[in-house]
Amino acid sequence: KAGVTQTPRYLIKTRGQQVTLSCSPISGHRSVSWYQQTPGQGLQFLFEYFSETQRNKGNFPGRFSGRQFSNSRSEMNVSTLELGDSALYLCASSLEALRPYEQYFGPGTRLTVT
Amino acid sequence: KNEVEQSPQNLTAQEGEFITINCSYSVGISALHWLQQHPGGGIVSLFMLSSGKKKHGRLIATINIQEKHSSLHITASHPRDSAVYICAVREEGNEKLTFGTGTRLTIIP
Repeated sequence: KAGVTQTPRYLIKTRGQQVTLSCSPISGHRSVSWYQQTPGQGLQFLFEYFSETQRNKGNFPGRFSGRQFSNSRSEMNVSTLELGDSALYLCASSLEALRPYEQYFGPGTRLTVT
Repeated sequence: KNEVEQSPQNLTAQEGEFITINCSYSVGISALHWLQQHPGGGIVSLFMLSSGKKKHGRLIATINIQEKHSSLHITASHPRDSAVYICAVREEGNEKLTFGTGTRLTIIP
């Protein structure tokens, strides 16, 4: 079974631009969570989607948004990019609908904002 | 104060040594995860615990819910165990994952 895939793997953007990152979960997994990892703040939870609905949200500004499609693929969008948005963005998928549940992480998208 | 504290932050040991990484947390949890992150970023979930002890190969994870403390042990450590080990707790109620700052482990041949 293929693992979680994320595209693109690397991205360079300029301040003020917007960016869309994509995550394809493991086949059959209906939950997708997104995380941001920076050297200063470490790993932080962004949001979680289950069956196309946002089930949980972290403490990030409204510039960070996401969605999930009927095939469970998910995208996250960051608008009006700031230098501080440079980070590794990870998504993770899980099978179970009930919590707690095991998560499987993708390789991440490394975003650099210049 | 962080809700999840890990110690030590950095650990260097000789191949074959027994390794212990500690995690303390301050919130009520439904589960605790131990994650491994290699250079390059990929994260692998090692264990998910809500009570007791789990073992997988040379890795052992324990949790004491009353004391809000978990440990990850590596027996007969090997250079390929060199990685960052991250503790994460799933908070009871809101179910968000909160992460520790990680322990950077280096095993010297």
